[in-house]
Amino acid sequence: GAGVSQSPSNKVTEKGKDVELRCDPISGHTALYWYRQRLGQGLEFLIYFQGNSAPDKSGLPSDRFSAERTGESVSTLTIQRTQQEDSAVYLCASSLVGLEQFFGPGTRLTVL
Amino acid sequence: GESVGLHLPTLSVQEGDNSIINCAYSNSASDYFIWYKQESGKGPQFIIDIRSNMDKRQGQRVTVLLNKTVKHLSLQIAATQPGDSAVYFCAENRGAGGSYIPTFGRGTSLIVHP
Repeated sequence: GAGVSQSPSNKVTEKGKDVELRCDPISGHTALYWYRQRLGQGLEFLIYFQGNSAPDKSGLPSDRFSAERTGESVSTLTIQRTQQEDSAVYLCASSLVGLEQFFGPGTRLTVL
Repeated sequence: GESVGLHLPTLSVQEGDNSIINCAYSNSASDYFIWYKQESGKGPQFIIDIRSNMDKRQGQRVTVLLNKTVKHLSLQIAATQPGDSAVYFCAENRGAGGSYIPTFGRGTSLIVHP
């Protein structure tokens, strides 16, 4: 069956530009998570969506980061005015509540 | 062991050996723990999980041990194969009003030599 998909797989942008990353979760998964992973590092939680509840944004590093989710489907992570320190792999995961997460392949973002 | 700077702890083993990867977690209220495997260029994949009412769970070639007294989790891989080479992350989950937000460990790089 279809897993979690993310697009684009790679994104190169110039400092100061905005970028939008997309995540298509597994159908039926009510929970959706975004993480950031810098090279050689662990996963840094960014934001969590659960059903129609207000998202938990406690991991967003600055107000340049925002995310939306339409119902229980697609989510987009937007980074405004990108900085070089935003360069990382951005991972999306979905799950049924309280169970293991299924991760997408990630979007590798490079800010020049 | 603990990682320093950008360097992940690394475990090097020979093919066929048993591997043990350790993880210390931080929150005594965590009630669900998961091990993930991340191969180069891919997202993490679920390996095995354990709930806090258990201290051991076995899968195919993998065993997870949970010691709540010292907040320690370990992953044992039997007869390690080159395909097991990856970074392994533990994750602790705390249920708070139905919201499960996992905290991931730093990761351990497993290198299996043929």
